[in-house]
Amino acid sequence: DAKTTQPPSMDCAEGRAANLPCNHSTISGNEYVYWYRQIHSQGPQYIIHGLKNNETNEMASLIITEDRKSSTLILPHATLRDTAVYYCIVRVVTSGTYKYIFGTGTRLKVLA
Amino acid sequence: EAQVTQNPRYLITVTGKKLTVTCSQNMNHEYMSWYRQDPGLGLRQIYYSMNVEVTDKGDVPEGYKVSRKEKRNFPLILESPSPNQTSLYFCASSYGWGTGQADTQYFGPGTRLTVL
Repeated sequence: DAKTTQPPSMDCAEGRAANLPCNHSTISGNEYVYWYRQIHSQGPQYIIHGLKNNETNEMASLIITEDRKSSTLILPHATLRDTAVYYCIVRVVTSGTYKYIFGTGTRLKVLA
Repeated sequence: EAQVTQNPRYLITVTGKKLTVTCSQNMNHEYMSWYRQDPGLGLRQIYYSMNVEVTDKGDVPEGYKVSRKEKRNFPLILESPSPNQTSLYFCASSYGWGTGQADTQYFGPGTRLTVL
């Protein structure tokens, strides 16, 4: 199964860009990459997803390498409210069904 | 309001006493799943259901059962809970567009279970 690897923690200054890396070297061609974040012990919240191309929405940008073995989530102007645990997730397709493999997450602390 | 609800939110029980954690969604989603979250291990998928009557094992199904008799409900059943099932549990749902399209999950608020 695909597996994701993330650094356990990162700090970022408020107002600066936060770049959160994820390694998913065993990903297959039809498997999407998702990013979610979790604040305290609340339910995770969706941020962005991608397959091959870079993606941007109102929350963040997702950069996927050409070989698809890694990706980077970019929060362009981090605020204190972005302090959370960020999860990189691969959706694994098997025989017409799919399941989700979470990484252990990166705890991002945004510093004032 | 579109949401995933779980009940109970907190539960303390004893080893071997059967329990059910309910999950319900009001978004007409096809795909539903259960996760457990433990310190240092992130979230791990227990079971998932592509649609009514179709369920499959995730990465950590041992000691759990599920059923999907209706589209909106996906209860998690612990027939004989043990202390190693003490965890934070999340239910999630999504449209279930199929393997060729992306599918965004919506998570419930979580159920904190303690088994003594």
